[in-house]
Amino acid sequence: DAGVIQSPRHEVTEMGQEVTLRCKPISGHDYLFWYRQTMMRGLELLIYFNNNVPIDDSGMPEDRFSAKMPNASFSTLKIQPSEPRDSAVYFCASSGLREAFFGQGTRLTVV
Amino acid sequence: KQEVTQIPAALSVPEGENLVLNCSFTDSAIYNLQWFRQDPGKGLTSLLLIQSSQREQTSGRLNASLDKSSGRSTLYIAASQPGDSATYLCAVIEAGNMLTFGGGTRLMVKP
Repeated sequence: DAGVIQSPRHEVTEMGQEVTLRCKPISGHDYLFWYRQTMMRGLELLIYFNNNVPIDDSGMPEDRFSAKMPNASFSTLKIQPSEPRDSAVYFCASSGLREAFFGQGTRLTVV
Repeated sequence: KQEVTQIPAALSVPEGENLVLNCSFTDSAIYNLQWFRQDPGKGLTSLLLIQSSQREQTSGRLNASLDKSSGRSTLYIAASQPGDSATYLCAVIEAGNMLTFGGGTRLMVKP
């Protein structure tokens, strides 16, 4: 397996634009997580899914953030409209019965 | 709410030293604990997973221990090398496979 795959790796967008981050989890994993990493706050859980169903979205900062998992092999995290304070690295991770595996992240810069 | 703390926040050692990184957590009702390594600008690489029923796990020069009752884990690195320089993160895994991260220890091993 190629591991957790995220795209794009880097995204630069203007304030107010819509941003969509994508994630392909490891096949067979039934948990998928979206994390955000910043220097100030470290790694924060935004939302996680179990069997494609959102379980806990209490970490989603505002209504501008939304996440979907239409099937077991794909998830998106959308920010609309984006703001400069959303600039961070966004990680997707998946897990099954044991350890969690992370993607390489998407570095988002909102100018 | 679970809180995970890692001490020290940064550590610089000469090559060849044995070192210990510390991780503490406030709620001992965890399922597992996972140690990760993160290189600058990269994703998280899983190092070791300790299940709640285990007291330690070893992989090469790495040894991780877990004491649930006291809310502590340590990562021991033997004979450190410059290639070990990275940020080391511990994460406790609770119900729903949810990971809560510490702030990390930034390690520099000098040749």
